Amino acid sequence: DAKTTQPPSMDCAEGRAANLPCNHSTISGNEYVYWYRQIHSQGPQYIIHGLKNNETNEMASLIITEDRKSSTLILPHATLRDTAVYYCTRGTGGSYIPTFGRGTSLIVHP
Amino acid sequence: DVKVTQSSRYLVKRTGEKVFLECVQDMDHENMFWYRQDPGLGLRLIYFSYDVKMKEKGDIPEGYSVSREKKERFSLILESASTNQTSMYLCASSSIGTVNSPLHFGNGTRLTVT
Repeated sequence: DAKTTQPPSMDCAEGRAANLPCNHSTISGNEYVYWYRQIHSQGPQYIIHGLKNNETNEMASLIITEDRKSSTLILPHATLRDTAVYYCTRGTGGSYIPTFGRGTSLIVHP
Repeated sequence: DVKVTQSSRYLVKRTGEKVFLECVQDMDHENMFWYRQDPGLGLRLIYFSYDVKMKEKGDIPEGYSVSREKKERFSLILESASTNQTSMYLCASSSIGTVNSPLHFGNGTRLTVT
């Protein structure tokens, strides 16, 4: 039970925004949403996390719905190097022990 | 930057061998994790540790054990390797001192058991 649901695959044109959705309808009030990505033959890399406010860093933006049942990771200007599997997970504080589902395989094409 | 180093990128072992996978992190993190990753199954948690000499079973601990004698090092042990343990093994660490600290992963060890 991955506790989150993501589409298995998406594609995006280079230079366009990539919007990756995640459903976490059973999330509890103190659980954060975390996003990672895994480029082929590397370990997963942390991208961003948030609780209820939208978050932005140098890699991406995270939009969490008001009811917190879903979120969207936004890569504003996707490049070929953003081709990877993206994982959405959830958890709380020091006891954050994430369960990873199959993620979304994003392919960015020229 | 946090660095999580796994000692081998590729390993080939024979059925029945005892196998040690080593992981070292350099950021004084309390938590360390071992996952395995198989096509179509995502990452599955084998064991984790939140302190020296402490360990907790994850979702698929059968056939594995772990050792954490020093804070920076977390070893995964296959007592008698079997072909169904052929997989990619990923180590990760995180801090409990930082609220909601994410996991930092190594680049994995691809183990083949023949």
